[in-house]
Amino acid sequence: NAGVTQTPKFQVLKTGQSMTLQCAQDMNHEYMSWYRQDPGMGLRLIHYSVGAGITDQGEVPNGYNVSRSTTEDFPLRLLSAAPSQTSVYFCASSHGGVGEKLFFGSGTQLSVL
Amino acid sequence: DAKTTQPNSMESNEEEPVHLPCNHSTISGTDYIHWYRQLPSQGPEYVIHGLTSNVNNRMASLAIAEDRKSSTLILHRATLRDAAVYYCSTYNTNAGKSTFGDGTTLTVKP
Repeated sequence: NAGVTQTPKFQVLKTGQSMTLQCAQDMNHEYMSWYRQDPGMGLRLIHYSVGAGITDQGEVPNGYNVSRSTTEDFPLRLLSAAPSQTSVYFCASSHGGVGEKLFFGSGTQLSVL
Repeated sequence: DAKTTQPNSMESNEEEPVHLPCNHSTISGTDYIHWYRQLPSQGPEYVIHGLTSNVNNRMASLAIAEDRKSSTLILHRATLRDAAVYYCSTYNTNAGKSTFGDGTTLTVKP
């Protein structure tokens, strides 16, 4: 049972480059979300989705795009990478029921030079 | 979204109880309180959650204040494996999104 799978685990970008962080879950969860975690800080919500075709902005959406064409996948796109986007990115999913817990991936460590 | 506040760090001795506090004074009436823990180089892992009543599971207990503005995660007998960063969060059921605090780093001394 894979759960939530994130790729790549590590990535180094140059300022201005674009890339896509991949997230896939095999639990048939309706809800998916992306968080970023900076040193010594908690997780901040970037974007989230309550189902295929539906996305919304979280606390820190600037510089990121998402789409949800299938239930399983929720990719995060960096349009033009900036050093301020250096962070660890976590994808999470949940069943969507009342009080349901989040399942997290193992994270992508991104460095923007 | 409700903001949560936690102490930066706490220490405990092995096999002693640990009480990890969290303030969420702006929590809405329908938001759940979730706790997660994170080991180095891993994603957060669910520990426990509740709405109004105290909750127990095999990992921990959750005590929720009557006004829901604060909660406490209780580890009944800390072990070295419990050393981690513990996050308190408020969970919006309608959107399936959580708002996290900055976490408490728990150190367990043998």
